[in-house]
Amino acid sequence: DAKTTQPPSMDCAEGRAANLPCNHSTISGNEYVYWYRQIHSQGPQYIIHGLKNNETNEMASLIITEDRKSSTLILPHATLRDTAVYYCIDHLTLEYGNKLVFGAGTILRVKS
Amino acid sequence: NAGVTQTPKFRVLKTGQSMTLLCAQDMNHEYMYWYRQDPGMGLRLIHYSVGEGTTAKGEVPDGYNVSRLKKQNFLLGLESAAPSQTSVYFCASSLGVLRSNQPQHFGDGTRLSIL
Repeated sequence: DAKTTQPPSMDCAEGRAANLPCNHSTISGNEYVYWYRQIHSQGPQYIIHGLKNNETNEMASLIITEDRKSSTLILPHATLRDTAVYYCIDHLTLEYGNKLVFGAGTILRVKS
Repeated sequence: NAGVTQTPKFRVLKTGQSMTLLCAQDMNHEYMYWYRQDPGMGLRLIHYSVGEGTTAKGEVPDGYNVSRLKKQNFLLGLESAAPSQTSVYFCASSLGVLRSNQPQHFGDGTRLSIL
């Protein structure tokens, strides 16, 4: 079962920032926070990941609270092409394989 | 760059038929994975491999077999297809354990229908 909790859907106006929340109530100290997204009919696409510190890359920013029980993915200027299902995942690197457990995710609808 | 390539993209089978799904990656990744995704659900791990010649069971392995004879290829087999295996199948790959917490890169999926 997925260990993270996300709202089922969100709307965002084109050009505005999209802030997607995630609760990690059972995250352990050595688990990273990963975000992926899945655009209709395509494979999941990696967005960003982090452990404790906030992270930024060319796609998004990741804010992780100090207690690591919640995170927020920020798309600074959402476009229509950002409409997708967004997944946050607690990612534990095991000795054999990096197993991802996907939940239902958040459907983000960017509207013009 | 091709990344992760899955073949075929679509397939319709009859119950009891067998088939093999092929996944190929050109990123020299050690780890490879097979997931399935059913309507309205997240991905579930079927099998994975941490290197050439090795495989391991994931969350939902029953009814599937896999092989990793070459580092760049990961095959998923259905010996006797059942309607419950109708799904979209995704392959992914990632760097190995020495480069821990590297993201997985996914193919575009194989849409499989079992009649």
